[in-house]
Amino acid sequence: DAKTTQPTSMDCAEGRAANLPCNHSTISGNEYVYWYRQIHSQGPQYIIHGLKNNETNEMASLIITEDRKSSTLILPHATLRDTAVYYCIVALKTSYDKVIFGPGTSLSVIP
Amino acid sequence: DADVTQTPRNRITKTGKRIMLECSQTKGHDRMYWYRQDPGLGLRLIYYSFDVKDINKGEISDGYSVSRQAQAKFSLSLESAIPNQTALYFCATSDRTSGSWELFFGEGSRLTVL
Repeated sequence: DAKTTQPTSMDCAEGRAANLPCNHSTISGNEYVYWYRQIHSQGPQYIIHGLKNNETNEMASLIITEDRKSSTLILPHATLRDTAVYYCIVALKTSYDKVIFGPGTSLSVIP
Repeated sequence: DADVTQTPRNRITKTGKRIMLECSQTKGHDRMYWYRQDPGLGLRLIYYSFDVKDINKGEISDGYSVSRQAQAKFSLSLESAIPNQTALYFCATSDRTSGSWELFFGEGSRLTVL
């Protein structure tokens, strides 16, 4: 499975859009991009996933580049409750045993 | 009530003791997992189970064992705990029939081995 690279930490002003990048240059054609977040020491929470097309749900938008080597998670109007560690994961839908949750990006939303 | 429940939530024990962490779920999912998280690091997979008769080792299974007592219950055991097993442990579930890989996590069990 492909590995990902994310910045260690980011800040975002409350009310502004938070754009979290993820590099996955070795992604294969049938691997999905998944995003999770972990608030403090709670269990991680699924946010969104995508294969090729951009995706949007009630929590966030996922923008995947045309070559699929990178993606950006967008929180359109960040709130203090969005302060968390965000994990970008690349995996086949059936690669449960090979999923890697790396260190992620620690996002701090500033009042 | 939480869909994925872990007990205990916190445990302090001594080196050499046997410890069991329990996980139960009401989501009706067939797949269950145990992960470990160390400070500042991501999550690492210890064991996973696709059904009651299917148990698989993950990335870091040494020193751990598991039991899938029923579809809804998946326990993690440390036969002889050691200090470097001090960590935050998470149980998770997923649903094969949904076709998705979304994991649903419990709230975690913090284990300290002295």
